[in-house]
Amino acid sequence: DVKVTQSSRYLVKRTGEKVFLECVQDMDHENMFWYRQDPGLGLRLIYFSYDVKMKEKGDIPEGYSVSREKKERFSLILESASTNQTSMYLCLAGRTLYGYTFGSGTRLTVV
Amino acid sequence: GNSVTQMEGPVTLSEEAFLTINCTYTATGYPSLFWYVQYPGEGLQLLLKATKADDKGSNKGFEATYRKETTSFHLEKGSVQVSDSAVYFCALSAITGGGNKLTFGTGTQLKVEL
Repeated sequence: DVKVTQSSRYLVKRTGEKVFLECVQDMDHENMFWYRQDPGLGLRLIYFSYDVKMKEKGDIPEGYSVSREKKERFSLILESASTNQTSMYLCLAGRTLYGYTFGSGTRLTVV
Repeated sequence: GNSVTQMEGPVTLSEEAFLTINCTYTATGYPSLFWYVQYPGEGLQLLLKATKADDKGSNKGFEATYRKETTSFHLEKGSVQVSDSAVYFCALSAITGGGNKLTFGTGTQLKVEL
């Protein structure tokens, strides 16, 4: 099974800061995703990527960008953090045939 | 676009009761289907999957059958335990643009009581 590692478990950032969330997988899977999970709103897709330098917008891309320069790493960037981006951020990697594995999540608080 | 609809929760059952959590989907083409589980205070983990019609996924006593004719993937377990208390998410993977897009349902909370 793929192992998905998110660099930080908890982060506290100030409004207006540029924030980087990192996600690394230990296999060669093409597909990687960023979601946010909020109470009562479920899992909402921000961006996904199906290969190096390839990305597609999800359902709520506003205020976010992504980078995938290497196959194993998928970064989520908050260009100018705002309080409404306080959330649990979840990275996912895998292939449909094998299933997709979640990272342990990054709980971001923007103050 | 693609979508997944799950039954509203919370679902409250007594231990050893039969569980069904309904999941229906809308998708073009031939999606793959998944169930994920999130135990209290933990991350989401894959419970089972099915990649084509009539496939049955199973794990830890849970089962789900991919029914293309009814566009459903209902989760079942014959006898639930208190340790099954968790939130269950149904999901589908389908080709969108250049890659596979994962779409999740809103989750169904299960509470199992003694």
